[in-house]
Amino acid sequence: NAGVTQTPKFQVLKTGQSMTLQCAQDMNHEYMSWYRQDPGMGLRLIHYSVGAGITDQGEVPNGYNVSRSTTEDFPLRLLSAAPSQTSVYFCASSLAGNSYNEQFFGPGTRLTVL
Amino acid sequence: KNEVEQSPQNLTAQEGEFITINCSYSVGISALHWLQQHPGGGIVSLFMLSSGKKKHGRLIATINIQEKHSSLHITASHPRDSAVYICAVRSIYGGSQGNLIFGKGTKLSVKP
Repeated sequence: NAGVTQTPKFQVLKTGQSMTLQCAQDMNHEYMSWYRQDPGMGLRLIHYSVGAGITDQGEVPNGYNVSRSTTEDFPLRLLSAAPSQTSVYFCASSLAGNSYNEQFFGPGTRLTVL
Repeated sequence: KNEVEQSPQNLTAQEGEFITINCSYSVGISALHWLQQHPGGGIVSLFMLSSGKKKHGRLIATINIQEKHSSLHITASHPRDSAVYICAVRSIYGGSQGNLIFGKGTKLSVKP
């Protein structure tokens, strides 16, 4: 199993550009989520999905869209990039969204918005 | 106030020392996770606890639900243990099932 994969690893955008961060998992996990990690702060939840066709907002959803058309893929779209979205983004998955399942994280995408 | 507080924020130890990292939380939880973030950025799950104690190799995690506190211990520390250790909890209140609340992490550096 490849686990959770993310692409790209690094990305530089200009303010106003849009882009999609890709996330895929091959473990047949129902629950997938996107986090951002900023210096001096804990990981913060952007969006999550409890299964194909179901998504919901997390703590910091503004400026981001997600979709979940398949169990495997959970892309994160930046609609109009802003410098405040400079961060490291992690995708994670688990078997289900309840308490007793291990979270598996992707390697992260480091995004810089100029 | 942060719902999950870790201490210390930074910790430097000599190889071989016994290390303790603490996590306190203010919400009712159904489970607590300890994660390790390597210097290269990758995050791996170390433990998932809802009560008692778990051990894996040189790592031991304990939780006291009544006191809302968990500790991560590393015995016979080694430079390869150098990483950021992150505590995360699943709240039983509000939000959506399955979402984690993260602490800011403890950066551990073990010197040879």
